[in-house]
Amino acid sequence: DQQVKQNSPSLSVQEGRISILNCDYTNSMFDYFLWYKKYPAEGPTFLISISSIKDKNEDGRFTVFLNKSAKHLSLHIVPSQPGDSAVYFCAASALGAGNMLTFGGGTRLMVKP
Amino acid sequence: DVKVTQSSRYLVKRTGEKVFLECVQDMDHENMFWYRQDPGLGLRLIYFSYDVKMKEKGDIPEGYSVSREKKERFSLILESASTNQTSMYLCASSFQGGTGELFFGEGSRLTVL
Repeated sequence: DQQVKQNSPSLSVQEGRISILNCDYTNSMFDYFLWYKKYPAEGPTFLISISSIKDKNEDGRFTVFLNKSAKHLSLHIVPSQPGDSAVYFCAASALGAGNMLTFGGGTRLMVKP
Repeated sequence: DVKVTQSSRYLVKRTGEKVFLECVQDMDHENMFWYRQDPGLGLRLIYFSYDVKMKEKGDIPEGYSVSREKKERFSLILESASTNQTSMYLCASSFQGGTGELFFGEGSRLTVL
C-alpha cells in the first residue's frame, strides 16, 4: 500500500510558465514533507520542505503548499526553466516515529524552451 | 561541503557474480540507507542502519545484505546477482533525531547480464 503517491508520472510545461507537481499521502502521522529533484545518473538533491504546522513554504521560484485536511501537497515552480527538467520525488516523514522518509513514485518534469 | 560518496558509478556484472557497492559519508551521520530506483517505482528502501554493526530490513531486502563496520561506511552486497537486480542504487545518510532529510550519493548504475 503506497502511503505517498504521485499520480502523474510525467508533466510537460513551456518555459516561463508555472509547473505544478502534486503529491497525496494517506498516513495521518506524517508531519514533515520534502521534495527532492533528481537528474539522470545523479543522486536526488533536496529541494524544499514543509512542516505540518505550516501551509506554505517558499524558496525563490519554488513554493510548496500543504493541505492537511486533503492530505495533499503540491510543488509550484514559477517561472519554469529548461534546467528544471528532472524527476521530482515527494517524501514524507513522521517526526515522532523514527524520521524514516517514505517516497512517492516520482514525476518527470519536462520544460520545453 | 557535505558528501556521500559511492565507490562505483557504473558496473556491469554477470548473473551469479557477487557484487559489492560501497558508500562513505563524511558528515558523521548515524543513519545510513540503501535504496534502489526503478522507473515508475520511485525509491525503494533495501536496508538501513542506525549505528555501527546494526542493520534493519527495508521494503525489499530479498537478495541483498549489508555491512556497517564503521560509522562512515555502509556496504551493499549482492551475494549472487540476478538480472532483476539491474537498477540504480542510491546510498543516503541522515542525522538521527532530525527531520529525516536524506543526503544522497550520486548513485551506482548496476547492469546484470
